[in-house]
Amino acid sequence: EPEVTQTPSHQVTQMGQEVILRCVPISNHLYFYWYRQILGQKVEFLVSFYNNEISEKSEIFDDQFSVERPDGSNFTLKIRSTKLEDSAMYFCASSEGGSLSYEQYFGPGTRLTVT
Amino acid sequence: AQSVTQPDIHITVSEGASLELRCNYSYGATPYLFWYVQSPGQGLQLLLKYFSGDTLVQGIKGFEAEFKRSQSSFNLRKPSVHWSDAAEYFCAVGPLLTGGGNKLTFGTGTQLKVEL
Repeated sequence: EPEVTQTPSHQVTQMGQEVILRCVPISNHLYFYWYRQILGQKVEFLVSFYNNEISEKSEIFDDQFSVERPDGSNFTLKIRSTKLEDSAMYFCASSEGGSLSYEQYFGPGTRLTVT
Repeated sequence: AQSVTQPDIHITVSEGASLELRCNYSYGATPYLFWYVQSPGQGLQLLLKYFSGDTLVQGIKGFEAEFKRSQSSFNLRKPSVHWSDAAEYFCAVGPLLTGGGNKLTFGTGTQLKVEL
């Protein structure tokens, strides 16, 4: 069964450093998402991406964040200058287009620890 | 703004007992409702979804949920819990958009513990 994959599973970085989280969505999906979950808190929407552009973003997704689909398979989230409060589990998700677009399939997550 | 409330942070049930996890939502239009499960170290797995039709929906692993518009609820149920059901359960709501790109709003989750 096709699945969303994410790398790395755990990333430790120092405050102020740039990090790139990588995701490989399901191959025929057209919509891509990033969510995050700070420890002990709810899963929060960050951004959705379609047709090589951002379709919606949350207030969390400020200028420090960017997303990219550098090739036909990867979808990345970049944090330019990490802060302690960026420590969280980051989930990538994807969905098909059309009437089947509502189901979002999630990856296993990348745990980001900023020290 | 859409929101989801899961009033129970932790629930403990005995194996074989029935289970009901509560979910209340706030949304200004017809919602699209989901239940996801997260096992330790795993991603979010979709259990079931509702967007129209029969208000009682069946999902994977023997779970079902009932949509009650009058109560703004979408409670998850299972008649007989198995030890492997121990996990965290998230209710989520999203808008009904044609084409896709709908962001999901999640509840805070309910941690289920199963006693043998």
